[in-house]
Amino acid sequence: GIQVEQSPPDLILQEGANSTLRCNFSDSVNNLQWFHQNPWGQLINLFYIPSGTKQNGRLSATTVATERYSLLYISSSQTTDSGVYFCAVESTGGFKTIFGAGTRLFVKA
Amino acid sequence: SQTIHQWPATLVQPVGSPLSLECTVEGTSNPNLYWYRQAAGRGLQLLFYSVGIGQISSEVPQNLSASRPQDRQFILSSKKLLLSDSGFYLCAWSVRGPDTQYFGPGTRLTVL
Repeated sequence: GIQVEQSPPDLILQEGANSTLRCNFSDSVNNLQWFHQNPWGQLINLFYIPSGTKQNGRLSATTVATERYSLLYISSSQTTDSGVYFCAVESTGGFKTIFGAGTRLFVKA
Repeated sequence: SQTIHQWPATLVQPVGSPLSLECTVEGTSNPNLYWYRQAAGRGLQLLFYSVGIGQISSEVPQNLSASRPQDRQFILSSKKLLLSDSGFYLCAWSVRGPDTQYFGPGTRLTVL
């Protein structure tokens, strides 16, 4: 099955810093999503981005499907950005969603 | 707007006891429904998905089962819980076709 690898596994930032999170996947996918899991466990969808680039405020994402990777950019980080960021892909066979292990982000005030 | 509910929020159960977790979705019809489990400090593992009433696909062999008795209701069950069933259980929905998934608040299950 598809393998999803996220890097780095852990990241500590000073408030105001920028960061790039990476997601590599091993095969063609139907879709790719980025999620943020807050300290209470709630998963919030950030981007649905099977290809191309999207931006939402301080966050943006780029997926290069032909090279099988996606990047999540966080600019001017805030303490509320802390949590775990997951990349999830759906195989071309349909329905089976595979999550990466996540990047745990801590933003210091 | 669409909302997704899960209950209970937390649950502590003894080994060998039965389990029933419920998930309901409001504001949409014919959704795809999903059950995931997250072990402490780890990523999510897809357990079951459903594309319609009575249609359940299992991704991981285990002592859990799922049912979809109504279009917007998804139930996760077990006849006898194991210690390894402890975790954070999340339900999600999506519209038909490749699209984003929306997650419920989750149920924290501890099996003692």
